Amino acid sequence: KQEVTQIPAALSVPEGENLVLNCSFTDSAIYNLQWFRQDPGKGLTSLLLIQSSQREQTSGRLNASLDKSSGRSTLYIAASQPGDSATYLCAVSPSGSRLTFGEGTQLTVNP
Amino acid sequence: GAVVSQHPSWVICKSGTSVKIECRSLDFQATTMFWYRQFPKQSLMLMATSNEGSKATYEQGVEKDKFLINHASLTLSTLTVTSAHPEDSSFYICSVLTGGAVSGYTFGSGTRLTVV
Repeated sequence: KQEVTQIPAALSVPEGENLVLNCSFTDSAIYNLQWFRQDPGKGLTSLLLIQSSQREQTSGRLNASLDKSSGRSTLYIAASQPGDSATYLCAVSPSGSRLTFGEGTQLTVNP
Repeated sequence: GAVVSQHPSWVICKSGTSVKIECRSLDFQATTMFWYRQFPKQSLMLMATSNEGSKATYEQGVEKDKFLINHASLTLSTLTVTSAHPEDSSFYICSVLTGGAVSGYTFGSGTRLTVV
């Protein structure tokens, strides 16, 4: 059974700091990995999708890497802003269908 | 990108009543939709996979007679929580696999259900 772990569970940083969120998964037989953002009481917003054959994806200040063999992914956020405050969820898919989520990292960026 | 609309965004109901939640894919024909549940401070757990024109596939431990799923068209799936109880209070979110695995998933905005 696939298990996804995210570290840290919570993170508080001053504005402008670069930060890294970690995601690990137990079964390396994944089809893709996706990072989401969830604001309190809201749905999920897709940030980055990495196919199993890819090693990283970038969008603006966000960069996600994938090391499938070691079962790890990182989300790098550059020059963090208060508007980045949210819960960040990592999810993996074994076959392009169902997703298994981690429990998320709650990020607070202080002005 | 794809747009998924979920309604209502929140609902309060009395214990023993039923509640229907709608998930609409506004610009994408979805043969498959997914329903998740999220308890406070926890991550999303897949409840069931909704298949257009056929029966839904439920995850282990999810009561199919309690959580009725109907996917009658390529743009609409509904989740009905029957005989709701306070322990059913949760955040329910639907998602659509858009454009195949390349594009990933698009999620609805979620429904906060409170059973009193």
